[in-house]
Amino acid sequence: QTVVTQEPSLTVSPGGTVTLTCASSTGAVTSGYYPNWSQQKPGQAPKALIYSTSNKHSWTPARFSGSLLGGKAALTVSGVLPEDEADYYCLLFSGGAWVFGGGTKLTVL
Amino acid sequence: EVQLVQSGAEVKKPGESLKISCKGSGYSFTSYWIAWVRQMPGKGLEWMGIIYPGDSDTRYSPSFQGQVTISADKSISTAYLQWSSLKASDIAMYYCARLFGAKEVDYWGQGTQVTVSS
Repeated sequence: QTVVTQEPSLTVSPGGTVTLTCASSTGAVTSGYYPNWSQQKPGQAPKALIYSTSNKHSWTPARFSGSLLGGKAALTVSGVLPEDEADYYCLLFSGGAWVFGGGTKLTVL
Repeated sequence: EVQLVQSGAEVKKPGESLKISCKGSGYSFTSYWIAWVRQMPGKGLEWMGIIYPGDSDTRYSPSFQGQVTISADKSISTAYLQWSSLKASDIAMYYCARLFGAKEVDYWGQGTQVTVSS
């Protein structure tokens, strides 16, 4: 089964920019993996942010963007706010199955 | 407004059976896939499986095949996740989520906490 790898943790200063990545054990992530990104704050259910690599939901703040970067899916947060401190999970469709990454804990400090 | 409302927290004993639910509203329930996702205490999200309520097409993650059963009753817009014999290792928060186009997640349920204790 595909293993999806994310950075376990990242730290960013308020107002800064940070990029989270999502890699697949099967090789380069392409749009055919339909990368999804969800945000989960402590004690809350996840909330979808990005689908199909770079598409935002109607509720997704403009500072969040998705892309493919160096063979990985990427989530970039520009102009980080304290409220962006959360766990972020990527989800890939690979080999006919859906697989979550282990999540990235983003600290805003 | 699209909503996925899950059933309440459950406390069960090892070996007992359990069925939790996820009721969809505000959209055509039969036209979107519903996924079930596990989150063990302090851990990440794990994809369990999905169901298409329109025809009950169900697909399980290999890790969960044979361990749980996913079903849906389209007459009441509700998807289910069930266990025939709970184990302590089933302690987790369980979320349902809606997919559009079968590969894109949009809405999540609020979660159902399952506790298994003798």
